[in-house]
Amino acid sequence: GIQVEQSPPDLILQEGANSTLRCNFSDSVNNLQWFHQNPWGQLINLFYIPSGTKQNGRLSATTVATERYSLLYISSSQTTDSGVYFCAVFPNYGQNFVFGPGTRLSVLP
Amino acid sequence: AAGVIQSPRHLIKEKRETATLKCYPIPRHDTVYWYQQGPGQDPQFLISFYEKMQSDKGSIPDRFSAQQFSDYHSELNMSSLELGDSALYFCASMSRGGTEAFFGQGTRLTVV
Repeated sequence: GIQVEQSPPDLILQEGANSTLRCNFSDSVNNLQWFHQNPWGQLINLFYIPSGTKQNGRLSATTVATERYSLLYISSSQTTDSGVYFCAVFPNYGQNFVFGPGTRLSVLP
Repeated sequence: AAGVIQSPRHLIKEKRETATLKCYPIPRHDTVYWYQQGPGQDPQFLISFYEKMQSDKGSIPDRFSAQQFSDYHSELNMSSLELGDSALYFCASMSRGGTEAFFGQGTRLTVV
């Protein structure tokens, strides 16, 4: 089946810093979504981005489907950005979403 | 906008008991996915339904069963609970022909 990798696995930032999270996948996908899991366990849908670039406030994402990767940019990070960021892909020939292992982000005040 | 509703939000059960988790998809969404997320793990696919029929099955234990009803809500039934079943359980729904999944807030199951 499809393999999904995320890097870095852990990231510690000072408040106000910028960061880039990466998601690599091993096969063609119909869909890619980025999620933020907050400390209470809720999965917050950040972006639905099978290709192209989207921006939402301090967050933006880019997916280059032909090269099988996606990037999530967080600018001017805040302590509330802390948590785990997952990318999830829906393979072209699959029937369910496959999650990456996540990037655990800690933003320090 | 309506979201995916899961109930209950929290559940505490003893070993060997039975639990039922419910998922109410977004209106007019006909596909439901169930995921299990253990502590420190990423969500793992359990089972999915499309138009009330099982469409795919992942690493779901034989002690678990699920179905999708005529109103498209889904229930995950878990029997003979084990300590290792303690996890967050998410369901997600998707519209016909769509590729974007909408996840519920999850049910946190604790088996003691």
